[in-house]
Amino acid sequence: DTGVSQDPRHKITKRGQNVTFRCDPISEHNRLYWYRQTLGQGPEFLTYFQNEAQLEKSRLLSDRFSAERPKGSFSTLEIQRTEQGDSAMYLCASSAFGGRGAAGELFFGEGSRLTVL
Amino acid sequence: KNEVEQSPQNLTAQEGEFITINCSYSVGISALHWLQQHPGGGIVSLFMLSSGKKKHGRLIATINIQEKHSSLHITASHPRDSAVYICAVLSHSGSARQLTFGSGTQLTVLP
Repeated sequence: DTGVSQDPRHKITKRGQNVTFRCDPISEHNRLYWYRQTLGQGPEFLTYFQNEAQLEKSRLLSDRFSAERPKGSFSTLEIQRTEQGDSAMYLCASSAFGGRGAAGELFFGEGSRLTVL
Repeated sequence: KNEVEQSPQNLTAQEGEFITINCSYSVGISALHWLQQHPGGGIVSLFMLSSGKKKHGRLIATINIQEKHSSLHITASHPRDSAVYICAVLSHSGSARQLTFGSGTQLTVLP
């Protein structure tokens, strides 16, 4: 297992199109987080899952955003009808909660950079 | 006021210098993370701590829970340390288990 992987790394799309990002967490991690980061700012929390359950969504996650983690493994983040303001880096992270070892330590993916023209 | 404040925002140092980056937070926390982000976006977790001090190689992280303050130190800095360093806190208020991030400190180490 090489860590958290995200795909695609970079997506350029036209305003109004739908985009989907995928995150594959570290296999034994039961928690998965999505963050959004704009230039010069720290990441902002979007949503997180414990196993397949989506436990919290930020107010930043408008109706155009939806996230799923259907089998408690990989997750997808879909943005419908993209707007220029959606241009950002979308980061995924995973952690093991309630298990042995460094419970709560986060491991991040490389991110998916979205550019909406 | 942001819940997590970092200082300085930008820092330029000469190779070999001792570097300190500070993080202050205003909420009760269960843990604090120091993260490193290189150009291109990838984030690496450096430390997670809830008390005291941790050391890994040339990096040292300290936290003072009473003062709601943490510092990240880099000894014998090197150009490859150039990156954005982000402090993030895990709040124990409410039911959400989520991180609140600082806006980062851009470190440039010159050869």
